[in-house]
Amino acid sequence: QVQLVESGGGVVQPGRSLRLSCAASGFTFSSYAMHWVRQAPGKGLECVAVISYDGSKKYYADSAKGRFNISRDNSKNTVYLQMNSLRVEDTAVYYCAKELGYGWFDPWGQGTQVTVSS
Amino acid sequence: EIVMTQSPATLSVSPGERATLSCRASQSVSSNLAWYQQKPGQAPRLLIYGASTRATGIPARFSGSGFGTEFTLTISSLQSEDFALYYCQQYNNWPLYSFGQGTKLEIK
Repeated sequence: QVQLVESGGGVVQPGRSLRLSCAASGFTFSSYAMHWVRQAPGKGLECVAVISYDGSKKYYADSAKGRFNISRDNSKNTVYLQMNSLRVEDTAVYYCAKELGYGWFDPWGQGTQVTVSS
Repeated sequence: EIVMTQSPATLSVSPGERATLSCRASQSVSSNLAWYQQKPGQAPRLLIYGASTRATGIPARFSGSGFGTEFTLTISSLQSEDFALYYCQQYNNWPLYSFGQGTKLEIK
């Protein structure tokens, strides 16, 4: 079945870096745009970054511009989120999601917790 | 940026009754709207896309309606497993998608 599995989260000090991975299976990964969406504790959902099916287009939320980089390896069915210069306010559960059809997300991964704290 | 506003923030309804959740967009998103359900400790699950099309496996008691800036998610007869958080999402302008702040559906 279609599945997304995130990894790479953890506890990190402000200013440090972390790389998240999302391994996909059960579908033709190279045909779909992929998103990273985060959810801060007790808060709603925020789209952080998106990458087109072939990696040629990348977009970021203002909160991520200049610090985060999204990439993908279609040979490994994996999308990545490199997060640099992390801030306390980046603390959240990070989900990867497959963009299905014209913009809705299905499915989502189970999420990986990122905690930025000194 | 399109701002999505959901109301109410919390909705208290008894099992078996109908629940109506609202979502408003700051500008027209046509029918490019989805609804998701999220339970504690779980990822969001797609319920509705295209404002009114149920996703695969979603029970018929869930229905969506609306166009432009006003949207509604209706759950016709609440089951115990329906008490959760619900989010709307607009996808009118790739890639700048945005979510509402959520409605918590709780047992009355």
